Amino acid sequence: DAEITQSPRHKITETGRQVTLACHQTWNHNNMFWYRQDLGHGLRLIHYSYGVQDTNKGEVSDGYSVSRSNTEDLPLTLESAASSQTSVYFCASSGGLAGGNEQFFGPGTRLTVL
Amino acid sequence: AQKVTQAQTEISVVEKEDVTLDCVYETRDTTYYLFWYKQPPSGELVFLIRRNSFDEQNEISGRYSWNFQKSTSSFNFTITASQVVDSAVYFCALDDSGNTPLVFGKGTRLSVIA
Repeated sequence: DAEITQSPRHKITETGRQVTLACHQTWNHNNMFWYRQDLGHGLRLIHYSYGVQDTNKGEVSDGYSVSRSNTEDLPLTLESAASSQTSVYFCASSGGLAGGNEQFFGPGTRLTVL
Repeated sequence: AQKVTQAQTEISVVEKEDVTLDCVYETRDTTYYLFWYKQPPSGELVFLIRRNSFDEQNEISGRYSWNFQKSTSSFNFTITASQVVDSAVYFCALDDSGNTPLVFGKGTRLSVIA
């Protein structure tokens, strides 16, 4: 069965370190997204991609970067982790070129920055 | 600009009560899509329903029903005869232009007490 996975599921790191969160989908979806979830803020979009070599900034992109070298993966990098980036991170994917497509979400990564 | 408002931050009901979760959206587009997702205590995000702007028929799926009213820009979600397993955070989301990702509301936390 097709799926979307995230790794690691839990991560503790220190302020200033570079951290990369992995997202891998086997749906063969063109579109991939990264969100962060914080209490009181719901889901906020960090970065997204509509295909290989395409990346776009979302609402809260500062301090984060992504790259899309293949269809299956969209890793999220925190260049220099900050305590404000402690959060739960969700990756999602959707198919199709037009809008209105359901997004499938990964299980989430809980990141703690000390 | 697109926006989704879920004014109810938390709702608590007793089992078997009916409960309605409100969702109000803003968009300038005539073609758009609305979604509801469920996030149970285990943390994953589960797709519940998608509705396009041209279909104002109400949807019923078991104990779940959705009322879409373009006149009031609302897409409300009702759970009939609530059960403890319905306890979750529920998110409403909007996809309007087709070229931008979903915009989520901040979610409503529903607690169903036995």
